[in-house]
Amino acid sequence: LAKTTQPISMDSYEGQEVNITCSHNNIATNDYITWYQQFPSQGPRFIIQGYKTKVTNEVASLFIPADRKSSTLSLPRVSLSDTAVYYCLVEGSNNDMRFGAGTRLTVKP
Amino acid sequence: SQTIHQWPATLVQPVGSPLSLECTVEGTSNPNLYWYRQAAGRGLQLLFYSVGIGQISSEVPQNLSASRPQDRQFILSSKKLLLSDSGFYLCAWRPLAGGDHEQFFGPGTRLTVL
Repeated sequence: LAKTTQPISMDSYEGQEVNITCSHNNIATNDYITWYQQFPSQGPRFIIQGYKTKVTNEVASLFIPADRKSSTLSLPRVSLSDTAVYYCLVEGSNNDMRFGAGTRLTVKP
Repeated sequence: SQTIHQWPATLVQPVGSPLSLECTVEGTSNPNLYWYRQAAGRGLQLLFYSVGIGQISSEVPQNLSASRPQDRQFILSSKKLLLSDSGFYLCAWRPLAGGDHEQFFGPGTRLTVL
């Protein structure tokens, strides 16, 4: 089961691109990588998911190198409302999952 | 559309008292259900999951238990609460297990044990 490591916190300014990297050195062949966003006193919300290479949706991009030992969540042009905690999850089959400790992103005006 | 409910939203209980938190899902059948705990300022800890009625898997040994009496109902219980049980409890569901299926989280229950 891959252990996930992410930075505890990050600061950014409105309009900047933010990249949050998650390390998962022991990722298994069947594992997927998922990122969630959580606001205070709310349940996490799905952002993006990928297996390899690059995935992009309307809110973020996920970059996964060929060795899959890390992944980077990219948030383009962040706003104040993107201030939240971001969790990296590595998971295979049969509910064997491990969340990272979360990265607290603070976006400043 | 599918929705997930948790109650109560907040709860303050004395040490040694029992606990019952309820989670229900609407708009789907035979979901995979999950209970998580989040201590103050900490990450998500998976406590229990269920793939079907009466089927419970425990991830962390503790004084908590879970039950699934109906297809879309998941209950978290304790006979005697500890101070360390304080936290934010989240229920989640998804149609199938596996890393390629996102989880949908409920609004959570804030539990304070005094």
